[in-house]
Amino acid sequence: GESVGLHLPTLSVQEGDNSIINCAYSNSASDYFIWYKQESGKGPQFIIDIRSNMDKRQGQRVTVLLNKTVKHLSLQIAATQPGDSAVYFCAENRATGNQFYFGTGTSLTVIP
Amino acid sequence: DAGVIQSPRHEVTEMGQEVTLRCKPISGHNSLFWYRQTMMRGLELLIYFNNNVPIDDSGMPEDRFSAKMPNASFSTLKIQPSEPRDSAVYFCASSPGLTGIAFFGQGTRLTVV
Repeated sequence: GESVGLHLPTLSVQEGDNSIINCAYSNSASDYFIWYKQESGKGPQFIIDIRSNMDKRQGQRVTVLLNKTVKHLSLQIAATQPGDSAVYFCAENRATGNQFYFGTGTSLTVIP
Repeated sequence: DAGVIQSPRHEVTEMGQEVTLRCKPISGHNSLFWYRQTMMRGLELLIYFNNNVPIDDSGMPEDRFSAKMPNASFSTLKIQPSEPRDSAVYFCASSPGLTGIAFFGQGTRLTVV
């Protein structure tokens, strides 16, 4: 029979434009969130994190926004570069331990 | 620091055989995680150790899967007997515990034929 896999959201942007990747999390008790980047053939790589007592955090070219009311995270990448092409995951810590649970991911393609 | 080291990088085995995946966490990290990644299910947490003690193994799919952490610098994930549906990329990650940021290894791509 036909196999059904996860439908990975995709986003294509022109080089130099800004990218916004969204993530909905499931548990209202989650208090810590991390964005990871995964390039082909590699393990997920930490980008930026945010705790639930914040609604915005900025890094180098990246900003994470947290809206606890609607349980939504976003990752903004400024001046997107070809090297930013990857799958991006949000991960939530459900306040029950040190483990993180990952979303399905978004595939970002940067068009030169 | 060399980061989290996993071996082997690739493993091809026949159905029914035992498979052992290995992980060396980052020195000083006291939490270790095993994840499995497939197209069907994405990234799934299998088991989590803290200070070498298994804390949560609710993600381990079946009794065929077992994980050990005999010391702070080594962990194994064993599948016995292996089945084709176990084919996936298995990641090990470690964290210093307090910050919660998990650092991942390069993964082991397992193919069971």
